[in-house]
Amino acid sequence: GAGVSQSPSNKVTEKGKDVELRCDPISGHTALYWYRQSLGQGLEFLIYFQGNSAPDKSGLPSDRFSAERTGGSVSTLTIQRTQQEDSAVYLCASSRGWNQPQHFGDGTRLSIL
Amino acid sequence: GQQLNQSPQSMFIQEGEDVSMNCTSSSIFNTWLWYKQDPGEGPVLLIALYKAGELTSNGRLTAQFGITRKDSFLNISASIPSDVGIYFCAGLTGGTSYGKLTFGQGTILTVHP
Repeated sequence: GAGVSQSPSNKVTEKGKDVELRCDPISGHTALYWYRQSLGQGLEFLIYFQGNSAPDKSGLPSDRFSAERTGGSVSTLTIQRTQQEDSAVYLCASSRGWNQPQHFGDGTRLSIL
Repeated sequence: GQQLNQSPQSMFIQEGEDVSMNCTSSSIFNTWLWYKQDPGEGPVLLIALYKAGELTSNGRLTAQFGITRKDSFLNISASIPSDVGIYFCAGLTGGTSYGKLTFGQGTILTVHP
């Protein structure tokens, strides 16, 4: 597609369950990023991929969070044993390179009950 | 860590008025970006700035990259109702931070017809 695609758009789950969020970047973009946005807040960096490798995982809040990217394209962000504080909008972005403008998807709104 | 101080936090203006918002930091950034976010959507890139002192326009929007590389401003001229939304500044340092964007807290813009 023309833009960054994320799925699902909304996810409601019970505390303690695992969730998997998907990001399909713009075709040809080698760099991929995950951010988290809490209600009324700015965006918080989680992880950056260049190709399939992740040079910067510094933003992952805990070891319950992990991400992978296969084939230099689609990425999944997995949150294990979800907690209520994980509720947020998870945004994915991609760019042609790390120093190029990042283009965002519409995010996955995650609600933990 | 790096922080961007964005102001004002919110603005209420009449249609046709000009708007100005800015971001400052104690750290140097190599790239400044300005995004607009509408409810339920991801941020959309408005303007990208790459050189200190650079002044760039995109329609009614004008942004500048400060000479010290620690600040940037965004101006919107002759505002219209569809300018309503949240505006974010974002900075990129490069180096070991790669593509990690640091975001301001956002400026909520309301335009009264």
